[in-house]
This record gives sequence, structure tokens and C-alpha cells, in this order.
Amino acid sequence: QVQLQESGPGLVKPSQTLSLICTVSGGSVTSGGFFWSWIRQRPGKGLEWIGYIYYSGRSYYNPSLESRVSISKDTSNNQFSLHLTSVTAADTAIYYCARSGGARAPTESWGQGTLVTVSS
Amino acid sequence: DIQMTQSPSSLSASVGDRVTITCQASQSIGNFLGWFQVKPGKAPKLLIYDASISDTGVPSRFSGSGSGTDFTFSISSLQPEDIATYYCHQYDSLPHTFGQGTKLEIK
Repeated sequence: QVQLQESGPGLVKPSQTLSLICTVSGGSVTSGGFFWSWIRQRPGKGLEWIGYIYYSGRSYYNPSLESRVSISKDTSNNQFSLHLTSVTAADTAIYYCARSGGARAPTESWGQGTLVTVSS
Repeated sequence: DIQMTQSPSSLSASVGDRVTITCQASQSIGNFLGWFQVKPGKAPKLLIYDASISDTGVPSRFSGSGSGTDFTFSISSLQPEDIATYYCHQYDSLPHTFGQGTKLEIK
């Protein structure tokens, strides 16, 4: 059973870059066919898909965030990362990392989520 | 983007009641729809995928149906541990999108 765990700063200043890491156990970020995602939930809002990176390294982003977001993976540590630049208070959210079994497959495994607050 | 309209936004029911949540897509998504249960501080849990298939280990009281644009999620007999927020999620096309959630409470 794959397990995912988010880590990173809980507080980021406005205009800075939010960086989070997802550590994967019980599976490999290089396993064929899997997509590794970031999803967030802003206060009082629903879930928002940020983007994902394919096992091959290709990535896809939500157009609403595409100019500020990048997702990468570190195969040596079996991790993948989220970087969101020029953050504002509107980026305050619980950030989840997750895995799906393909482009048209459900997100079947999730981390517990980590709260990131953007504030000076 | 495909918009997912989920209703109701909140629901109060008694233990043993049947509960139903609906989700409507702004365009056809085939059966590429999942239902999640989210509890505070816990990893979201996939309950139903491909509109009607229960994930491994999910109690049989949870079910889903529908295709195209209209989908339904049901709990046949509400249990206290079912208190959570439930979301529908389309994965037919990018960007993936979610319903606004249904917060379920016990009367």
C-alpha cells in the first residue's frame, strides 16, 4: 500500500515561493503509469487540482496556476515537489499530495495534507 | 474547465437514514467520476471510482451511479463514523475538477 507524506514550511511570506515535498513509501515515483499530483483546499473552498507529474517526468498544470507552479521529482529520494511562486494570502490552503493510476484514473492514494499559511 | 455542481452543500440526517448526494458535470465525462470522503486531519479516502465501482475495503453501504453528466452517491444506512465531507471528482479531462463538497452531519 503506497503512503504519501507532505512536508514543508507551515508559514510563507507574501511574494515568496511556497515549496513542499511529498515523500513516497510503498511505491516508486518512477513506477510506470502513475501520476503524482498536488491538490489543495483553500479555507471555505472546495478542492482544487494544482497539477501532476508523470512517472516519465512530464508535468501538467492547472491553467489557473500554470504561470506560477512547477512540479518536479527526486528519484533518488523517492519524492516529488511543489513550487508555487509569488504567493499571496489567497494561496493559504491545506496542500495534499496524491497518486493516480493514469491520466483517466481516480486519485486513489492521498497524503494527510499540510496547512500552509501565507502571511507576513 | 469542466464544472462540477454538487448538492446539497450540507446535510443533516439520523443514524440509519439513507443519504443521497448528487453531482452534475457541465459536459459529459462518461463514467470518469469518483467520490471521496474527507475527515479533518486525515487523508482523503476514495470510496467510489468510475462512477459506480467501490474501492477495496469500502463498506457496502456506500454506492454510486450515473454516467454522462448526472451522478449520484448514496449511503444506504448512515453510521456515526460517516460524518465527513464528501466530494465528487471528475478525471475525464484536464484540469481535473471537484464538486464543492457536501458536509454531512448527524441529527
